[in-house]
Amino acid sequence: KAGVTQTPRYLIKTRGQQVTLSCSPISGHRSVSWYQQTPGQGLQFLFEYFSETQRNKGNFPGRFSGRQFSNSRSEMNVSTLELGDSALYLCASSLGGSGTDTQYFGPGTRLTVL
Amino acid sequence: DQQVKQNSPSLSVQEGRISILNCDYTNSMFDYFLWYKKYPAEGPTFLISISSIKDKNEDGRFTVFLNKSAKHLSLHIVPSQPGDSAVYFCAASGNFGNEKLTFGTGTRLTIIP
Repeated sequence: KAGVTQTPRYLIKTRGQQVTLSCSPISGHRSVSWYQQTPGQGLQFLFEYFSETQRNKGNFPGRFSGRQFSNSRSEMNVSTLELGDSALYLCASSLGGSGTDTQYFGPGTRLTVL
Repeated sequence: DQQVKQNSPSLSVQEGRISILNCDYTNSMFDYFLWYKKYPAEGPTFLISISSIKDKNEDGRFTVFLNKSAKHLSLHIVPSQPGDSAVYFCAASGNFGNEKLTFGTGTRLTIIP
């Protein structure tokens, strides 16, 4: 079974631009969560989508948004990029039926904002 | 406010010996705990989990211990192997059905051959 895939793997943008990242979950998984990893803050939860609905949300500004499609693929968008948005963005998928379902992570998208 | 803490940023252990990684949490609503391992340029890989109704869970060389009264969990790796060198994250979630994971800041484990 194929794992979680994320595209693109690397991205360079400039301040003020916007970016869209994509995540394809493991087949059969209905939940997709997004996390931001930075050296100073570690891994922080952005949001989780289940059956095309945002089910949980972390403490990030409204510039960070996401959506999920009927095939469970998910995208996250960051508008008006700031230097501090430079990070590794990870998505994780799980069956989504309960909080004890294991989350499996993709390799991440490394975003650099100049 | 760091609700999940890994106070040791790094740990070095001789090959064949036991590696013990520690994690403390502050939120008493957490009831499910996990350990992930991460290599550079890869996403975290799930290792082992434990729910709050248990105090120990074993899977091969990996054992996780949970002390609810102390709000402390630990991961034991026996015996340690060079391939275990990686960054280890503990994570916690609360309220079954909630997919949000709160992660610690990680401990870099180095196994010395």
